[in-house]
Amino acid sequence: DGGITQSPKYLFRKEGQNVTLSCEQNLNHDAMYWYRQDPGQGLRLIYYSQIVNDFQKGDIAEGYSVSREKKESFPLTVTSAQKNPTAFYLCASRKSSVLSGNTEAFFGQGTRLTVV
Amino acid sequence: GNSVTQMEGPVTLSEEAFLTINCTYTATGYPSLFWYVQYPGEGLQLLLKATKADDKGSNKGFEATYRKETTSFHLEKGSVQVSDSAVYFCALSDDAGGTSYGKLTFGQGTILTVHP
Repeated sequence: DGGITQSPKYLFRKEGQNVTLSCEQNLNHDAMYWYRQDPGQGLRLIYYSQIVNDFQKGDIAEGYSVSREKKESFPLTVTSAQKNPTAFYLCASRKSSVLSGNTEAFFGQGTRLTVV
Repeated sequence: GNSVTQMEGPVTLSEEAFLTINCTYTATGYPSLFWYVQYPGEGLQLLLKATKADDKGSNKGFEATYRKETTSFHLEKGSVQVSDSAVYFCALSDDAGGTSYGKLTFGQGTILTVHP
């Protein structure tokens, strides 16, 4: 079955450490997204990528980095520069809007990151 | 930039009550509109969508009509069930070009609790 997989489901980070969250999709989607979810604040866009080897900053990119070396993969690194990283992180993908118009996004199950 | 505003929650209803969750948007182009649902500890699932003015999206008894004149996409259900308890997100994508190209913008989410 096609889908989008995030791992791990739970992640604990010590102060000052970088951590990488995995996101893999086998839907053959061109566009991929990372969102951060905090209670009462909905989803905020961190980074997004429309094609391989290209990505753009979203609304809250500071303290995060991404790469898009393969179509299937869009890992997110939470760096030590992110002052308040404890949150629920959601990855999403969808077909290229250029070719397919306004299509819906498919989401992974999320990674809950906690700083200890 | 684009934005989505949802009615403040949480919303608490008795089973079989009528549900309305308001959603209004601002967008520079001609967006598609979506409603997503999130169950505890999970990612988001698409509930319904509408891609142009006057379209009505529907699924599982939920409905929403794309009203361009009032820039709204209110979610309704005639008779809610306990199993409808979740967080509901209104969202838009504007793939017509411009600075919002390729982005998905979400509202802050509305928590719905349905009691037996």
